[in-house]
Amino acid sequence: SQKIEQNSEALNIQEGKTATLTCNYTNYSPAYLQWYRQDPGRGPVFLLLIRENEKEKRKERLKVTFDTTLKQSLFHITASQPADSATYLCALGGKLIFGQGTELSVKP
Amino acid sequence: GAVVSQHPSWVICKSGTSVKIECRSLDFQATTMFWYRQFPKQSLMLMATSNEGSKATYEQGVEKDKFLINHASLTLSTLTVTSAHPEDSSFYICSARTGEYTEAFFGQGTRLTVV
Repeated sequence: SQKIEQNSEALNIQEGKTATLTCNYTNYSPAYLQWYRQDPGRGPVFLLLIRENEKEKRKERLKVTFDTTLKQSLFHITASQPADSATYLCALGGKLIFGQGTELSVKP
Repeated sequence: GAVVSQHPSWVICKSGTSVKIECRSLDFQATTMFWYRQFPKQSLMLMATSNEGSKATYEQGVEKDKFLINHASLTLSTLTVTSAHPEDSSFYICSARTGEYTEAFFGQGTRLTVV
């Protein structure tokens, strides 16, 4: 069955540093992958979508890579800020299957 | 950006009763809507996918007779939890999108508590 794993439950970094989150998947070949942000008690908010034929996508301080050979996506937040603290979720394909999420905490 | 409105945001009901949750896309037409369930500190578990005018496709392990989904129009989908029990207590979230290869927009979620 499809399996999606995101790196460590919680990631703590210092303000100004780059946060790197990982999404690995098995038994699946998604045509595209998405990243979302979720704050406590709220629904997820879309951040970026990357297709299988795209290696990298950027939006302001965000960057996503998609390696279909490694079956992995990396999500980077540069110059991180305390306001970036949230849970980040990757979602695969048309059925929008979510990983378990990584809780990011940016300390001032 | 596009807005998805989910109502109610929270509901408390007695065991054995039914609860309906509405999900509306306010400024776009949603060809596909998704319903998720989320337990504390866990990710979103896909329950079912629905396309306007057709029956919902339920994920394995989700009881279709218990979780009734109706996608009557391009802007409205409803989830009815029938004969609710305390174990159905959870955070239910809907999302909608306009088509494949597009982002999904999520409602604010419904906190269901069955007592």
